[in-house]
Amino acid sequence: DVKVTQSSRYLVKRTGEKVFLECVQDMDHENMFWYRQDPGLGLRLIYFSYDVKMKEKGDIPEGYSVSREKKERFSLILESASTNQTSMYLCASSPGPDPTYGYTFGSGTRLTVV
Amino acid sequence: RKEVEQDPGPFNVPEGATVAFNCTYSNSASQSFFWYRQDCRKEPKLLMSVYSSGNEDGRFTAQLNRASQYISLLIRDSKLSDSATYLCVVNAGNMLTFGGGTRLMVKP
Repeated sequence: DVKVTQSSRYLVKRTGEKVFLECVQDMDHENMFWYRQDPGLGLRLIYFSYDVKMKEKGDIPEGYSVSREKKERFSLILESASTNQTSMYLCASSPGPDPTYGYTFGSGTRLTVV
Repeated sequence: RKEVEQDPGPFNVPEGATVAFNCTYSNSASQSFFWYRQDCRKEPKLLMSVYSSGNEDGRFTAQLNRASQYISLLIRDSKLSDSATYLCVVNAGNMLTFGGGTRLMVKP
């Protein structure tokens, strides 16, 4: 089974801190994604990557950046955390450009910014 | 208008009941369709793909109506363990778009 691992399950950070959320997948998947999930808003795509060193903005990229230096690792960076970035963050991966096989998600990081 | 719309529920049903969820999507170029299941405070997991001809997996049946741009999920003989949020997911291009989910609560 594909495994997508997110480094932290729960995280509490202060406003203005730089925050790194790490995601690693172990099945050589090409595509990786970062979503945030909020009550009433569902999953919203922040950034995605189809290859190493490649990144594309999703629907809500403001306040975030990403890094993909290695195929298996996709990092989400909050440059200066704000309280409105308190959310559940979900990383996902998929094998290639055709999402027929769906996405595999990590177990999520619940981030609280105080 | 949201790209993928679902009734948020909750749907409260007794064990053994049959329950159906619908989902509408706005992009007529959408190519693939899925249902995901998400348990409370857990990540979404793929439940089943939805094929044009309709498909069944045990107690679960998924249907697609391209003309009306809606997808349905039917659960027969509901179990307590079916309690979860069901996400309708649509692909147009190379990415998936998720609906907000429909919450199902199965009561004893």
